[in-house]
Amino acid sequence: DVVMTQSPLSLPVTLGQPASISCRSSQSLVYSDGNIYLNWFHQRPGQSPRRLIYKVSNRDSWVPDRFSGSGSGTDFTLKISRVEAEDVGVYYCMQGTHWPSTFGGGTKVEIK
Amino acid sequence: EVQLVESGGGLIKPGGSLRLSCVVSGFTFTNAWMNWVRQAPGKGLEWVGRIKSKIDGGTTDYAAPVKGRFTLSRDDSKSTLYLQMNSLKTEDTAVYFCVTEWFDPWGPGTLVTVSS
Repeated sequence: DVVMTQSPLSLPVTLGQPASISCRSSQSLVYSDGNIYLNWFHQRPGQSPRRLIYKVSNRDSWVPDRFSGSGSGTDFTLKISRVEAEDVGVYYCMQGTHWPSTFGGGTKVEIK
Repeated sequence: EVQLVESGGGLIKPGGSLRLSCVVSGFTFTNAWMNWVRQAPGKGLEWVGRIKSKIDGGTTDYAAPVKGRFTLSRDDSKSTLYLQMNSLKTEDTAVYFCVTEWFDPWGPGTLVTVSS
């Protein structure tokens, strides 16, 4: 199975400051159709996960533009340009390129 | 609006069985590949299994920890996905979510607690 490794495990941030989460895969996530099926999810405390980003850099409709995803091959990044209070929670990356789909261990974002 | 609602969770003794259901609406369930994902208390997300649409063969795939014990099925006439869980272990304790092949959106999940 493809191993997804996120860092850091915990990310204390100051409101209004940027934040960055790394996700690395144990093998390339480029699918035979040329796409990279790398998603990011956000889970607030006590809530279900919500997809934030799909195919590396495509924001879902509800996601503010302060969130951005980037990367290629095996290295991916989720960035928040200016953290707001509602951004707290756990962020997960997930690959859907190789069967079975696998998730990263999660990064907990909290306000300092 | 796409909605998924899971049900059927509860407290069950080790070795017991439980069947979860997921009723979906807002999209053409017949054409959808569906997944179950679980989350143990305080832990991360774990993919459990997948069922393809009938037109794509309706085949199922499972994660290693549940293979041989869990069975996915679907009733397209009821837009409902099922997860039959047998020989339950304490480590199966988790909130179980059903999601589409695009992993969006997610339902509220249903909690399964395996404990004596």
